Amino acid sequence: DIVMTQSPASLAVSLGERATINCKSSQSVFFRTSDKDHLAWYQQKPGHPPKLLLYWASIRESGVPGRFSGSGSGTDFALTISSLQAEDVAVYFCQQYYTTPITFGQGTRLEI
Amino acid sequence: QVQLVESGGGEVQPGMSLRLSCAASGFTFHSYAVHWVRRAPGRGLEWVAVISYDGSSEGYADSVRGRFSISRDNSKNTVHLQMNGLRADDTAMYYCARGTESEWLLIDFWGQGVRVSVSS
Repeated sequence: DIVMTQSPASLAVSLGERATINCKSSQSVFFRTSDKDHLAWYQQKPGHPPKLLLYWASIRESGVPGRFSGSGSGTDFALTISSLQAEDVAVYFCQQYYTTPITFGQGTRLEI
Repeated sequence: QVQLVESGGGEVQPGMSLRLSCAASGFTFHSYAVHWVRRAPGRGLEWVAVISYDGSSEGYADSVRGRFSISRDNSKNTVHLQMNGLRADDTAMYYCARGTESEWLLIDFWGQGVRVSVSS
């Protein structure tokens, strides 16, 4: 199984400041045939299901604010929120969809 | 709009069975794979199972293989998760989730979830 490791486990950032969450996979999730990284990011707020933020490592899902961006390739990835808003308080998960079993990072709790 | 509505959860004793259902609407159901993903209290997300758009392929996490079975009825826009031999560590919120049309392992929409509690 591909193990996804996120860091940090929790993060406190001031409003308007930048937040960066890291995600490392135990093997590459880059698929040569498609020339894409099979890596997604989700946001989960208390009492709500997860919401897809980014896929192919850096493509924003429709409706996701531009302050969310993704970077990285191969085994090392990052989610950046450029200017933290109060509504961004949530747990963030990375996920590889390169192969089954689909695996998630353990989550990063983002607080103000 | 896209909707996935889970049902069938509850509290059961170890060793018992439950059947979760997921009713889909608002999209062309027979064109999409469907997943079950769970989140135990205080834990992260754990993928459980997937079924392809036409039901011809299934996949399971090692932790549930042989105990859980996923199925779908495209005539009723419904997916089921039959859970047998339930254990305490199966206690979680279970989410039904849609794979994208072009990349079935990428999940783009989740239901609100249904709670399963296994306790003696």
